[in-house]
Amino acid sequence: ETGVTQTPRHLVMGMTNKKSLKCEQHLGHNAMYWYKQSAKKPLELMFVYNFKEQTENNSVPSRFSPECPNSSHLFLHLHTLQPEDSALYLCASSQTGGPLYEQYFGPGTRLTVT
Amino acid sequence: TQLLEQSPQFLSIQEGENLTVYCNSSSVFSSLQWYRQEPGEGPVLLVTVVTGGEVKKLKRLTFQFGDARKDSSLHITAAQPGDTGLYLCAGAGTNFGNEKLTFGTGTRLTIIP
Repeated sequence: ETGVTQTPRHLVMGMTNKKSLKCEQHLGHNAMYWYKQSAKKPLELMFVYNFKEQTENNSVPSRFSPECPNSSHLFLHLHTLQPEDSALYLCASSQTGGPLYEQYFGPGTRLTVT
Repeated sequence: TQLLEQSPQFLSIQEGENLTVYCNSSSVFSSLQWYRQEPGEGPVLLVTVVTGGEVKKLKRLTFQFGDARKDSSLHITAAQPGDTGLYLCAGAGTNFGNEKLTFGTGTRLTIIP
């Protein structure tokens, strides 16, 4: 496996369910990100992890709970979501410490909340 | 708050035509990136520009960073159906160590065969 992988690719869940999204990067990067992409809105940064430490929480509701056990893996735990949370959730990684901030994205998880 | 406005929002042109997409802000960025995203996939990095006035070419794509590092443009020559996708610009702040990118509003490009 190369690059950034995300599972599952598609997820349908009810508002009372609990599910988790998984992201894995094989690039040796030390920063990982969760983004939300909705129709007609710019890409929204949710969380940033740098060397496994959370460095950014962009006012995300507590029904989204991130977890970063190591620099290669990132999870997004979901519970009691709302229909407006339906979106494409993208994971990205980058190498920190320089000015370029090039981020590499996974294919995303298409989430539908019913 | 840094904002990046892209124009046009939608663009549909015939194969073989040329086009330019713009990315504008009132903020200064240390670097700016362009991504292309195809349906059902994540954005793929095309290029990073760092120096004001910098021009980079990637085959038929020409990227320019504004002299003041507040804006950028993407010019495509002789567009092909494979160029279809959502084009996103993203700017990095001037505080090194702040690993955030500000993404633009996007331009959805359709090339008609």
